[in-house]
Amino acid sequence: EPEVTQTPSHQVTQMGQEVILRCVPISNHLYFYWYRQILGQKVEFLVSFYNNEISEKSEIFDDQFSVERPDGSNFTLKIRSTKLEDSAMYFCASTPRTGGSGELFFGEGSRLTVL
Amino acid sequence: EDQVTQSPEALRLQEGESSSLNCSYTVSGLRGLFWYRQDPGKGPEFLFTLYSAGEEKEKERLKATLTKKESFLHITAPKPEDSATYLCAVQGNFNKFYFGSGTKLNVKP
Repeated sequence: EPEVTQTPSHQVTQMGQEVILRCVPISNHLYFYWYRQILGQKVEFLVSFYNNEISEKSEIFDDQFSVERPDGSNFTLKIRSTKLEDSAMYFCASTPRTGGSGELFFGEGSRLTVL
Repeated sequence: EDQVTQSPEALRLQEGESSSLNCSYTVSGLRGLFWYRQDPGKGPEFLFTLYSAGEEKEKERLKATLTKKESFLHITAPKPEDSATYLCAVQGNFNKFYFGSGTKLNVKP
């Protein structure tokens, strides 16, 4: 069964360092997302991406964050200068439906620990 | 403001003891309500999509229902392997999903 894959599964970094989280969405999906979940808290929307551009973004997704689809398969989230409060599980998700409606399929997540 | 509230926060059941989880929502232009299961340290796993009031979906011991203001996830005769956190999410007018805080279900043998 097709699945969303994410790497790395866990990354530890020092505050102020740049981090890139990688995702390979399901191949025929059209909309891509990043969500984050701070330990014990809600899953929070960060950004949606369609047709090689950002479709929506939340207040969390400030200038420190960027997303890119550098080729036909990878979808990346970059955090330019990490802060302690960026420590969370980051989930990539995708959906096949036009208009972005429909269920999201999530990867297993990348746990980011900022020291 | 679009909002999703789930209750209870935690639920402990004996194996075979049926119950319901609640998800109440306020959203501009509901495009879909989604139920997910999340195991510790894992990504949410899709269970159901509901699009309009009155709709019901079933899968094994789970049944999801939808009204104009809330959704219920009914669990019939649960087993220990049903233990997980169950998340509700809504999609409104814009291309993002709002998640509730989840209900952590623990089913004891």
